[in-house]
Amino acid sequence: DAGVTQSPTHLIKTRGQQVTLRCSPISGHKSVSWYQQVLGQGPQFIFQYYEKEERGRGNFPDRFSARQFPNYSSELNVNALLLGDSALYLCASSRTGGSSPLHFGNGTRLTVT
Amino acid sequence: KNEVEQSPQNLTAQEGEFITINCSYSVGISALHWLQQHPGGGIVSLFMLSSGKKKHGRLIATINIQEKHSSLHITASHPRDSAVYICAVMTGDNDMRFGAGTRLTVKP
Repeated sequence: DAGVTQSPTHLIKTRGQQVTLRCSPISGHKSVSWYQQVLGQGPQFIFQYYEKEERGRGNFPDRFSARQFPNYSSELNVNALLLGDSALYLCASSRTGGSSPLHFGNGTRLTVT
Repeated sequence: KNEVEQSPQNLTAQEGEFITINCSYSVGISALHWLQQHPGGGIVSLFMLSSGKKKHGRLIATINIQEKHSSLHITASHPRDSAVYICAVMTGDNDMRFGAGTRLTVKP
């Protein structure tokens, strides 16, 4: 069984550009959550989706948006990139969200120059 | 003050030692996760707890809901246990809060 897959693995963008990150959950998992991890810090929660609906949102500006598709894959979009958006973006899937175990992808490392 | 506090921040141990990492939180939670992150970024979920104690191999996790405290224990530590260990809590409104992590180094 494939694990959580994220694409791309690495990405370099310029300030002001827009970026889309993708995540495919483990088969049978209906919840996807997104996290930002700045170098040297712990992860920060961005979004959780379950059955294509937003279930939770962290303290991130409206430049960050996400969606979940009927096949439960998900995209994270970040507009008007800032240097401070440089980070590892992690996706995790779980069967039901909430209190079910999380399975993490290897992340997308975004560098904004 | 961070809502999830871990201690210690850094820990160095000799192979074979018993290790304890602590996590205290100040918010209401539906579950607590212990995560392991190796250099390069990959995160592995070790435990999810809502009460009591869980054991997997040399790893034991406990949680005291009344005291809002959890501990992760590693018995007979090994250099391959070297990693960052992160405590994360799921709040009642589906928000996840993370501790800053404990960097563990186990020396042979």
